[in-house]
Amino acid sequence: DTGVSQDPRHKITKRGQNVTFRCDPISEHNRLYWYRQTLGQGPEFLTYFQNEAQLEKSRLLSDRFSAERPKGSFSTLEIQRTEQGDSAMYLCASSSGIRGFGYTFGSGTRLTVV
Amino acid sequence: DQQVKQNSPSLSVQEGRISILNCDYTNSMFDYFLWYKKYPAEGPTFLISISSIKDKNEDGRFTVFLNKSAKHLSLHIVPSQPGDSAVYFCAASAGNSGGSNYKLTFGKGTLLTVNP
Repeated sequence: DTGVSQDPRHKITKRGQNVTFRCDPISEHNRLYWYRQTLGQGPEFLTYFQNEAQLEKSRLLSDRFSAERPKGSFSTLEIQRTEQGDSAMYLCASSSGIRGFGYTFGSGTRLTVV
Repeated sequence: DQQVKQNSPSLSVQEGRISILNCDYTNSMFDYFLWYKKYPAEGPTFLISISSIKDKNEDGRFTVFLNKSAKHLSLHIVPSQPGDSAVYFCAASAGNSGGSNYKLTFGKGTLLTVNP
């Protein structure tokens, strides 16, 4: 297993377009998280899946954002009608639920909305 | 409302010396604390963690100290090496945060530069 994979690494899109990101977690991990990081800030929690169930969403996740994890494996994060304020690094992480081991993060998808 | 604070945006130390990175938190429900290291264009990498039932955890050159009464933790790196140069994030989670999702709340990070 090569860790958490995210695709694409970079995405430039025009304002108003829809974008979708993919995350492939570590296969044994049943917990999957999406975080967003902007310049000068730490990662901020967006949403959490346990297997295929989305159990928590942050208020940061507006109606334009939707996340799925069909079959409890890979996950997608879609942003509709992108705005310049959506420009950020979107990080996916997975975990076995053993707290002492933390999460394993992917390398992230850098979104730039122009 | 920042629940996890890293008040030093940057720290510069000489190779071989000790690096001490500090973190304060406000949420009394936090019961697990973690440190992550991040290089540019990569995701954060887990370094070390500590449960609130302990006051110290050590892993090689890295030691984390927790002072619950002061709501303060610190990461010590001894000896510091140039390869340690990165942004270090402090993070915390609350075990009873509904659904046991163990979501992490991060500080803003401290940029550590270790000079040869």
